[in-house]
Amino acid sequence: AQKITQTQPGMFVQEKEAVTLDCTYDTSDQSYGLFWYKQPSSGEMIFLIYQGSYDEQNATEGRYSLNFQKARKSANLVISASQLGDSAMYFCAMREDPIQGAQKLVFGQGTRLTINP
Amino acid sequence: EAQVTQNPRYLITVTGKKLTVTCSQNMNHEYMSWYRQDPGLGLRQIYYSMNVEVTDKGDVPEGYKVSRKEKRNFPLILESPSPNQTSLYFCASSFGLAFTYEQYFGPGTRLTVT
Repeated sequence: AQKITQTQPGMFVQEKEAVTLDCTYDTSDQSYGLFWYKQPSSGEMIFLIYQGSYDEQNATEGRYSLNFQKARKSANLVISASQLGDSAMYFCAMREDPIQGAQKLVFGQGTRLTINP
Repeated sequence: EAQVTQNPRYLITVTGKKLTVTCSQNMNHEYMSWYRQDPGLGLRQIYYSMNVEVTDKGDVPEGYKVSRKEKRNFPLILESPSPNQTSLYFCASSFGLAFTYEQYFGPGTRLTVT
């Protein structure tokens, strides 16, 4: 069964520092996608970045990058030059190939990131 | 603007009083899904739909119903709400089923059942 593990319930970082949020996943499928979402205190889910299992390069989107280590089954989110507005809950999620029967995003428990001025 | 809308955003109700949370998307997406979010558990799927008139159960379907009569709408129905259904609910949609497609989320509906 698919599973996502985020081992950091909370993190505190100084503004302008880089931060890495950990995510490990478990799947027996070869085809899958990994996603990171941000949930600010207002509650909405904001898509940040995507990495496909066959992508050889790490995904990047502005200040966000995904450190994808397939053999270790990890997909850590790196935020460079953190800002106060980055304070939020962050979720790692995985979607498997629907041919294998998967029809959903599986989410981790989330990491609450707090940026200190 | 491409978006998923949900109504109401906040709802306080009493045990046993039927309610419907509406969800609509304007992106012509085939796939739609409902999730609930509870502290420490992340988001869990309730029901999903692959197209009009095609729906199926997710991980936590007990106590919920859905319908998909039109492509854009996917309402969530609680026939007899109970306090354990107090949660934050999200509707989501994506263009298709492939794992490469991101899911777009609605703003969430915070439901309290007393």
